[in-house]
Order: sequence, then C-alpha cells, then structure tokens
Amino acid sequence: DSGVTQTPKHLITATGQRVTLRCSPRSGDLSVYWYQQSLDQGLQFLIQYYNGEERAKGNILERFSAQQFPDLHSELNLSSLELGDSALYFCASSGGIGANVLTFGAGSRLTVL
Amino acid sequence: GQNIDQPTEMTATEGAIVQINCTYQTSGFNGLFWYQQHAGEAPTFLSYNVLDGLEEKGRFSSFLSRSKGYSYLLLKELQMKDSASYLCAVRPDSSNTGKLIFGQGTTLQVKP
Repeated sequence: DSGVTQTPKHLITATGQRVTLRCSPRSGDLSVYWYQQSLDQGLQFLIQYYNGEERAKGNILERFSAQQFPDLHSELNLSSLELGDSALYFCASSGGIGANVLTFGAGSRLTVL
Repeated sequence: GQNIDQPTEMTATEGAIVQINCTYQTSGFNGLFWYQQHAGEAPTFLSYNVLDGLEEKGRFSSFLSRSKGYSYLLLKELQMKDSASYLCAVRPDSSNTGKLIFGQGTTLQVKP
C-alpha cells in the first residue's frame, strides 16, 4: 500500500457521460499529480496541484478538469467521454513543490463503451 | 519539446545482467528517475540521479551523463519477478513543480 488512495478502481461508462475520479494523497503530502496511461502510450502528465492551487498543466483536454480541496484530496472530472478516453488514470503525490519522489496510487481503470 | 527514448522491449535470462538505456532531450533538467511498473499496477520508484555518475541500490544501479542526455538502469542477478515495465522519467523544471515527464517504458521479460 503506497498510501495514495484512488477510487473507484474500475469504472465502465458510455460515450458522452461524465465521471469523477478521486484521489487522497499520502499523509503529509501537499502535491497531487494526475497522469493518464493508455495502452499505446506511456504515462502522460495531465495536471498538478499544490496545497489547493494549480501548479502545472500538461496535455489535459478541455473536457477534463481537476481540483484539490482544503483537505488535500483531489478530483479529476472527465466529461463528454469518448472511446479514446479509456485508460488507466493514476494519481501521485509528493511532499512539497519540488520534492523528488512521486508516489503513485493503484490507479482508476476507465472503460468507455 | 520533451523527448525521452527507451527501447520498447528487452528479454534476458534469469540470473543474468541487463542494461536498459534511456536518452532524453528536455527543455530543462532537474533529475532523472527510474520506476518499475508491473502490468496493471502502480509505478514504483527505483532510483534517482541528478548528478553525473552511478547510483547503486542493491541489485539495481542507475547511471547518468547529463552532457550526453543519457541514463541507464542496470539490473543484476535477474529474477523472474523482475519481469515488468521500466520507466525512465525526467523532471524538467527546477522551479515550483515536481512534475515528471515519462518515456514510453521498456518491457523486460525474464526467461528461466
């Protein structure tokens, strides 16, 4: 158990729908990162939050949004889902803004039918 | 842009040594990381290099040459459980973000 908790583990939904993925970072970690991993691609950085504020943005689609709450948990919202959004979504956390090691959660597997 | 290259697949024999190479071209450099990922599972941290040279940690070692934009991960005394994907990642920013940019990963198959 890495200490990073992601829910749900698996999610099956239809095109056009909206889903929310949730992440609780390790105790004491202030940064949360979201990554997408598709079958044919490596881990793609989506977005980072630090203590409630957005710190860095990657290749995140406009249909996707995220936020980090005062209790430091984070949610990734995916809307108007397409077949190509099917992927593993990982959350990672680290102890500070530039801390060295990202610790990953077990991931949420999204299947869009 | 950011570009991180590693071989797609490698095969090695149990008990042997294998070297997984990684080359990178990124907008900045503030450290190189290696992660191990078993299929369908979370990536787990293996090693970190920010200065040139070799870092050794048990059966695993990682080397970095910043001038060449090159790193390798060396796995010794291979075990069957080492069959996994090995991800090379660079932290390009030294400012206020710890985000990592990952390569596609190298799938290592260890055979008896």
